[in-house]
Amino acid sequence: NAGVTQTPKFQVLKTGQSMTLQCAQDMNHEYMSWYRQDPGMGLRLIHYSVGAGITDQGEVPNGYNVSRSTTEDFPLRLLSAAPSQTSVYFCASHRRPNTEAFFGQGTRLTVV
Amino acid sequence: GESVGLHLPTLSVQEGDNSIINCAYSNSASDYFIWYKQESGKGPQFIIDIRSNMDKRQGQRVTVLLNKTVKHLSLQIAATQPGDSAVYFCAEKIGTGGGNKLTFGTGTQLKVEL
Repeated sequence: NAGVTQTPKFQVLKTGQSMTLQCAQDMNHEYMSWYRQDPGMGLRLIHYSVGAGITDQGEVPNGYNVSRSTTEDFPLRLLSAAPSQTSVYFCASHRRPNTEAFFGQGTRLTVV
Repeated sequence: GESVGLHLPTLSVQEGDNSIINCAYSNSASDYFIWYKQESGKGPQFIIDIRSNMDKRQGQRVTVLLNKTVKHLSLQIAATQPGDSAVYFCAEKIGTGGGNKLTFGTGTQLKVEL
C-alpha cells in the first residue's frame, strides 16, 4: 500500500519555466491538499480539494494551479517558476474532516 | 542539506526523560488539533489528534492536552527515546467546511541526548 506518492523528489528549474508536481494516493481519500514548507515558517496551504472536480485556494495560492480530474490524482502546476517558489512541497490526503492527513515524502524544488 | 529546522525553538532532553512540547494556537473557533512529527528529509507523520470537545487524549507514550481558555496545546512524550528526535508541529483546523484546512505552527526541534 503506497499511501501518498509524490514525484519528482528533487527538481531544479530556471526562472520562467513551467512544471507539474505529481501527487497520487491509493487510499480512496476524498480530500487532498498541497502545502509548501519554508525554513522557520511551518507548512502553508497552497490549494486543496474536497473531491474530484472541486478545488479551492489555500493561504498562498498565487503562482500555482491545480485540478482534480480523478479521486487519486492532484497535480500542482507552476506556470512560470520564480525564485520565491523555491521550497519543499508536500501533498496530503485524508478521508474526511477531522481525521489525520497522510503526507507524501515531499518534492524539493529549487528555482534559479 | 535539509534546511527545515533552521531558527526553530529547540528542546533538548535526556533519553528516558519526559518531553513536553508546547503550542499556542491562533483561533478560538478551531475545532480540531493535530500533532505531527517530521524527521529530516521526510514528510510529516501523524502522532495524535484531539477535538475541541476534549481536554486530553492519550496514545502510546504520547498525551495531548488542550486548554481552550488560553488557546494552548501541548504534546507530552513519555520516556523519550533517540528515535523521537525530530521536528514537531502542531496544527489547527478552523471551521467545518473545506475538509482539513490546517494551519501549522512553526515547529519545535526535539533533540534527545544519550
